[in-house]
Amino acid sequence: TQLLEQSPQFLSIQEGENLTVYCNSSSVFSSLQWYRQEPGEGPVLLVTVVTGGEVKKLKRLTFQFGDARKDSSLHITAAQPGDTGLYLCAGDQGGSEKLVFGKGTKLTVNP
Amino acid sequence: NAGVMQNPRHLVRRRGQEARLRCSPMKGHSHVYWYRQLPEEGLKFMVYLQKENIIDESGMPKERFSAEFPKEGPSILRIQQVVRGDSAAYFCASSPRTGGELFFGEGSRLTVL
Repeated sequence: TQLLEQSPQFLSIQEGENLTVYCNSSSVFSSLQWYRQEPGEGPVLLVTVVTGGEVKKLKRLTFQFGDARKDSSLHITAAQPGDTGLYLCAGDQGGSEKLVFGKGTKLTVNP
Repeated sequence: NAGVMQNPRHLVRRRGQEARLRCSPMKGHSHVYWYRQLPEEGLKFMVYLQKENIIDESGMPKERFSAEFPKEGPSILRIQQVVRGDSAAYFCASSPRTGGELFFGEGSRLTVL
């Protein structure tokens, strides 16, 4: 079983559209991170959320951590082709140094 | 100001051979993590090391796999007697401290024929 479920698995949209991707779990995390990975590259950290209910904004990207610290969402406004990539969420359960990753959402933004 | 350096970027091995993957962490980082990524899968934790110590190897197969992070030189992930199922991208990440941000390398892609 996957500890972190990401949805949708694939998403293809047109430039300018808005989108939301989700990261859900039945487990509580002390923190949750979002990464973007491009083909042939390693993941790059976008944001870390720590407090339940926390909202962080990074330009057109808005990240939210659920009140119970079990889930998170990433909303992109006015998507651009440069946003194309694999978006991964990763959770830290506390007391352990290993991050647990979801399988990711593969986003394609068409011009 | 080099990032995490991994080599080789691509490695092809025949079944039964050995694969050695190297990772030089960012300058000043003493924490190294290895993850494995299969196609259409997320990253799976393998091992966490600090200089000369294995801290957590709970994600690493008990046989054929080993990792080290010597006092001098890069961290090495070693896979002996490779099998086709070992084909994957292996990512190294480093961090300056416990619980700090992870910086990933570009990965080493192992193909076992």
